[in-house]
Amino acid sequence: GAGVSQTPSNKVTEKGKYVELRCDPISGHTALYWYRQSLGQGPEFLIYFQGTGAADDSGLPNDRFFAVRPEGSVSTLKIQRTERGDSAMYLCASSLAGKNTGELFFGEGSRLTVL
Amino acid sequence: AQSVAQPEDQVNVAEGNPLTVKCTYSVSGNPYLFWYVQYPNRGLQFLLKYITGDNLVKGSYGFEAEFNKSQTSFHLKKPSALVSDSALYFCAVRDIRSNFGNEKLTFGTGTRLTIIP
Repeated sequence: GAGVSQTPSNKVTEKGKYVELRCDPISGHTALYWYRQSLGQGPEFLIYFQGTGAADDSGLPNDRFFAVRPEGSVSTLKIQRTERGDSAMYLCASSLAGKNTGELFFGEGSRLTVL
Repeated sequence: AQSVAQPEDQVNVAEGNPLTVKCTYSVSGNPYLFWYVQYPNRGLQFLLKYITGDNLVKGSYGFEAEFNKSQTSFHLKKPSALVSDSALYFCAVRDIRSNFGNEKLTFGTGTRLTIIP
């Protein structure tokens, strides 16, 4: 597609439930990033994929968070046993890895609300 | 660890006046610095970057930023503000320890810029 696409745009769930958030990057972008943005804060890095592999998952807050990118394109962020503190905007970005431009292309985000 | 600070949560500027949005950074080694803008109901958009070379960098929509190593600053500027510049602006720094290809960024907390007609 023309830009990074994220679905759903909004997700409301109950505490303890399982959630999946999807990201479809720009075609041809091999690098994919997940960020989390809480209200009044800047985006915080969660995980970086180079192709199919998670090259850097140092930002994942705990083992309830997991992400996959099985075919090197679409990625899914998975959150188990959601907690109210997980409520945030989840942002996905992609880039042309290896170009070293520093320019990330962001989607519009998925807003997660845990009741 | 690297970090950026945006000391102003909110900046108000009259239309047509010059604007400045402040950013200071802390890194070990040479920084890679960026500005991103977030319009309402839109994703973050790249505005400009400093990697090396000229300290004054120009970006989209008439914005520019000046890298000042002695003051560890990277302030965003525009000579004449437009109402359409009203948005949330984020300064970011690249993790210099990351491997080539990993362009993860550390963002500031953002500054809301409001241009008053």
